[in-house]
Amino acid sequence: NAGVMQNPRHLVRRRGQEARLRCSPVKGHSHVYWYRQLPEEGLKFMVYLQKENIIDESGMPKERFSAEFPKEGPSILRIQQVVRGDSAAYFCASSPRTSGGTSPDTQYFGPGTRLTVL
Amino acid sequence: TQLLEQSPQFLSIQEGENLTVYCNSSSVFSSLQWYRQEPGEGPVLLVTVVTGGEVKKLKRLTFQFGDARKDSSLHITAAQTGDTGLYLCAGANAGNNRKLIWGLGTSLAVNP
Repeated sequence: NAGVMQNPRHLVRRRGQEARLRCSPVKGHSHVYWYRQLPEEGLKFMVYLQKENIIDESGMPKERFSAEFPKEGPSILRIQQVVRGDSAAYFCASSPRTSGGTSPDTQYFGPGTRLTVL
Repeated sequence: TQLLEQSPQFLSIQEGENLTVYCNSSSVFSSLQWYRQEPGEGPVLLVTVVTGGEVKKLKRLTFQFGDARKDSSLHITAAQTGDTGLYLCAGANAGNNRKLIWGLGTSLAVNP
């Protein structure tokens, strides 16, 4: 997994509770991506962040979901008032600062957090 | 909405056999990536192809990007049990190459 750490690996919440998922990118990487994976839907882009900035959150549900990547510390994906439909595997990926170009940045994925909502 | 369709969805073969899996779209992508994901883990990048008609080889794996950049294939020669996993393709557009569009994957089982 090239050093991307996610915790917890498994998280169980009851409906209405909050879920906080943490992602520590590869040391020196300043770009973080969050994805959700469901067997029948595959991987879906949620949000792309750089340090202290949300660059693209077009894949995030409009309500209950938020993400941050502070200057210090891990990136956090926060889901408020969870519902059963939020049960999924959530993956974080990181990439280094790049100079741009037509090829996508190489994204290094963490092992994921499996969220189960009871 | 851009979609990537992968086929077959499931594939079970014997060690030593050859196989090809496909990733197709009606849309053009500026680049396409292939990943392998093992149970309980995140995807791991195998290759990026960017030029129509491009062929890349990674040991026993051969990746091809279609001339029109709408499709790709992955061919594995003499499959080994260690090749077992979920193979995912992901496409990117030049205008937003950080937002990948993913296929559902081909789940490959290589039996001893």
